[in-house]
Amino acid sequence: DVKVTQSSRYLVKRTGEKVFLECVQDMDHENMFWYRQDPGLGLRLIYFSYDVKMKEKGDIPEGYSVSREKKERFSLILESASTNQTSMYLCASTIKGFSGPNYHEQFFGPGTRLTVL
Amino acid sequence: AQSVSQHNHHVILSEAASLELGCNYSYGGTVNLFWYVQYPGQHLQLLLKYFSGDPLVKGIKGFEAEFIKSKFSFNLRKPSVQWSDTAEYFCAVIPDSNYQLIWGAGTKLIIKP
Repeated sequence: DVKVTQSSRYLVKRTGEKVFLECVQDMDHENMFWYRQDPGLGLRLIYFSYDVKMKEKGDIPEGYSVSREKKERFSLILESASTNQTSMYLCASTIKGFSGPNYHEQFFGPGTRLTVL
Repeated sequence: AQSVSQHNHHVILSEAASLELGCNYSYGGTVNLFWYVQYPGQHLQLLLKYFSGDPLVKGIKGFEAEFIKSKFSFNLRKPSVQWSDTAEYFCAVIPDSNYQLIWGAGTKLIIKP
């Protein structure tokens, strides 16, 4: 079974703090994604990575950065946390490739519920 | 801009009732379609997907969805729901030429025992 793990289930931080969210997958997937999930808004893509050291902006990258130094690990960084970044953060991964029936099934981690005070 | 619309944000049903959750998308070309489910306290997981072929797709736990191209729809159905179907359901679409899933806002389904 594919397993995607996230470093914390719950996190409370203060405004202005630097926050690291980590995601690790064990299925040798090339593609990894960070989303935020907010009620009534579904999932919004923050960043994704299709290879080590490669990253692409999603729909809402402002205030976030990412790091992918190893294939299995994809980190989301909030450089200076703000209250409007209080949300559920989901990490996902998929196999390589941008077409075909297997690519698009994304495997998700359990999520990190971040509260910024 | 491409978008996915889920008509109901909250649905409450009694056990054994039939379920249909609506999903419409705005892209005019070839699409791949998905329903994901998030049970309380659990990961998002794939319920079913459509890529090509028979427009009636069967998924896990007795769910099915029908792709109607002329209506840009991919509605999720289940003939008889159970209390354990209480969850949030997300429709997602990926235009064939794109890498990015476009997500609906989700529908929270509550089944009363």
